[in-house]
Amino acid sequence: DTGVSQNPRHKITKRGQNVTFRCDPISEHNRLYWYRQTLGQGPEFLTYFQNEAQLEKSRLLSDRFSAERPKGSFSTLEIQRTEQGDSAMYLCASSLDTYQPQHFGDGTRLSIL
Amino acid sequence: EDQVTQSPEALRLQEGESSSLNCSYTVSGLRGLFWYRQDPGKGPEFLFTLYSAGEEKEKERLKATLTKKESFLHITAPKPEDSATYLCAVQGFGDDYKLSFGAGTTVTVRA
Repeated sequence: DTGVSQNPRHKITKRGQNVTFRCDPISEHNRLYWYRQTLGQGPEFLTYFQNEAQLEKSRLLSDRFSAERPKGSFSTLEIQRTEQGDSAMYLCASSLDTYQPQHFGDGTRLSIL
Repeated sequence: EDQVTQSPEALRLQEGESSSLNCSYTVSGLRGLFWYRQDPGKGPEFLFTLYSAGEEKEKERLKATLTKKESFLHITAPKPEDSATYLCAVQGFGDDYKLSFGAGTTVTVRA
């Protein structure tokens, strides 16, 4: 039983650089979600996809952030011109549909130098 | 906007010492309340979904209950392996695509 897979697990980069994260959801899960979690806080919703369509974006998702889910399979989250405030754990989750619980991956921890 | 408040922030227990965690919420139309467990450096692991007041769910030493304004996670006779952060989240009918999380309760169980 393969769960949600995220790569890389850790990313260290300099301020101003671009970074890209990948998420592979549980097979056959139609919905895919991105959350951000900072130390001592619960995850905060960023965006979600129903198959390949991006249906909702949080106001937390500035124009430096972009997410894709080509062909409704894996997803990528890109951050351009990274800032110190982008340091966080980026979590991906997937669910079969709106009635099923969301299952999370182990996240990508981003550190901005 | 949906709001979730968890208390206490941290809980230190002796092995076998039962206790409860609280999750208070405000949401315009509760679709579901979720409990997750999160270990350090890992993603949240799904535990329970509760849909209506009066509902209860159990798994090993954990039992979750739900009222119209709050949920409790009871830990009975905890063991050191129950040490983790427990997160509560709500999903409303108006925005059923997202979970709104509390900050969590970090539980430490000493042998």
